[in-house]
Amino acid sequence: GNSVTQMEGPVTLSEEAFLTINCTYTATGYPSLFWYVQYPGEGLQLLLKATKADDKGSNKGFEATYRKETTSFHLEKGSVQVSDSAVYFCALHKITGGGNKLTFGTGTQLKVEL
Amino acid sequence: DTAVSQTPKYLVTQMGNDKSIKCEQNLGHDTMYWYKQDSKKFLKIMFSYNNKELIINETVPNRFSPKSPDKAHLNLHINSLELGDSAVYFCASSQDVRVDYNEQFFGPGTRLTVL
Repeated sequence: GNSVTQMEGPVTLSEEAFLTINCTYTATGYPSLFWYVQYPGEGLQLLLKATKADDKGSNKGFEATYRKETTSFHLEKGSVQVSDSAVYFCALHKITGGGNKLTFGTGTQLKVEL
Repeated sequence: DTAVSQTPKYLVTQMGNDKSIKCEQNLGHDTMYWYKQDSKKFLKIMFSYNNKELIINETVPNRFSPKSPDKAHLNLHINSLELGDSAVYFCASSQDVRVDYNEQFFGPGTRLTVL
């Protein structure tokens, strides 16, 4: 079946540090890949997505590149801010029996300190 | 304007009780979902409905029964609540299940605590 593996958190960084959160996936065919972000006390929001190999998704300074050869979709940001503190979820999408189904990783908590 | 709304935001109840969580979306979407997020933040789909028809049911106990009176609403009824049902439940919606991918929009969540 489909699965997503993320690096375990929490990840604690100082403001303006470089961020990488690793994500690898297992799926048949060519899934679409996503990063969702969950700020404290809120629901999930789509951060960025890539729908085919070598696509780069980007938003709010975050980037991730769909690497089919390494089945990875690592999230990066060059300079994090305190406001980026949240839980980040990597996810993949495949149509299954007519269902629009997202499979999530376990989430990685990011804490950014001054 | 709230896109996906859930009520209540917090729900504290005793074991064995029956409770419902309501979800409404005003985005005109055809598909709605329920997810369960456990204490370790792990998020797993429970159900998916498209135009009031059940299309995904992920090995959820029979005590959980989703009901979709119309395509803008998907309510979750839970019978005989157990301690292990304590979690945050998220409702979500997307536009059209037939298209390869549509962004899912999430509600703010309902934190259920079973004592």
